[in-house]
Amino acid sequence: EAQVTQNPRYLITVTGKKLTVTCSQNMNHEYMSWYRQDPGLGLRQIYYSMNVEVTDKGDVPEGYKVSRKEKRNFPLILESPSPNQTSLYFCASSTGTSAWYEQFFGPGTRLTVL
Amino acid sequence: LAKTTQPISMDSYEGQEVNITCSHNNIATNDYITWYQQFPSQGPRFIIQGYKTKVTNEVASLFIPADRKSSTLSLPRVSLSDTAVYYCLVGVFNDYKLSFGAGTTVTVRA
Repeated sequence: EAQVTQNPRYLITVTGKKLTVTCSQNMNHEYMSWYRQDPGLGLRQIYYSMNVEVTDKGDVPEGYKVSRKEKRNFPLILESPSPNQTSLYFCASSTGTSAWYEQFFGPGTRLTVL
Repeated sequence: LAKTTQPISMDSYEGQEVNITCSHNNIATNDYITWYQQFPSQGPRFIIQGYKTKVTNEVASLFIPADRKSSTLSLPRVSLSDTAVYYCLVGVFNDYKLSFGAGTTVTVRA
């Protein structure tokens, strides 16, 4: 089944404890992206990757890191999480080479930082 | 990205047609119009995309007038399962950035 998977789905952590949210897609898509969703703010783009080893900042990159060593994986790293990073996170991959082709989203990761 | 304006919420009943209008007065020549649907606790799902006139698929229709300053997503004969948030997005195909606004919350009642 073609899909985007994220792990973990739920995570409660404490301020400053490094964490990684994994994202993997099995559709051989070049473009991948991370979003965060907060009440009343829609989905805001954190980082995106046009292809392996190529990443760039979205609208809200502060406090996050990403890497794209393989085409299928695009992990999101929070080196020192803070409470304002409590949010619902979505990973997505695109059928084309940009964000404007059809994007497939993962199931989401609900993160709480205490 | 072109700025878009859409209603915050809409109510409907099962079996009715729902039309959501999105305003994008500063749309550029190369911009496309895209709609996504998001159910509670799920990621958004691509519904439809178009450039001008009318586009139809098995889920919805997209109407775009000649001046392209607005567009209307039409959902025929909605059911309770169509209750979701619908996002209107406008941008060019070679743009790597994309963020979603607050969208329109559509509530379908029995």
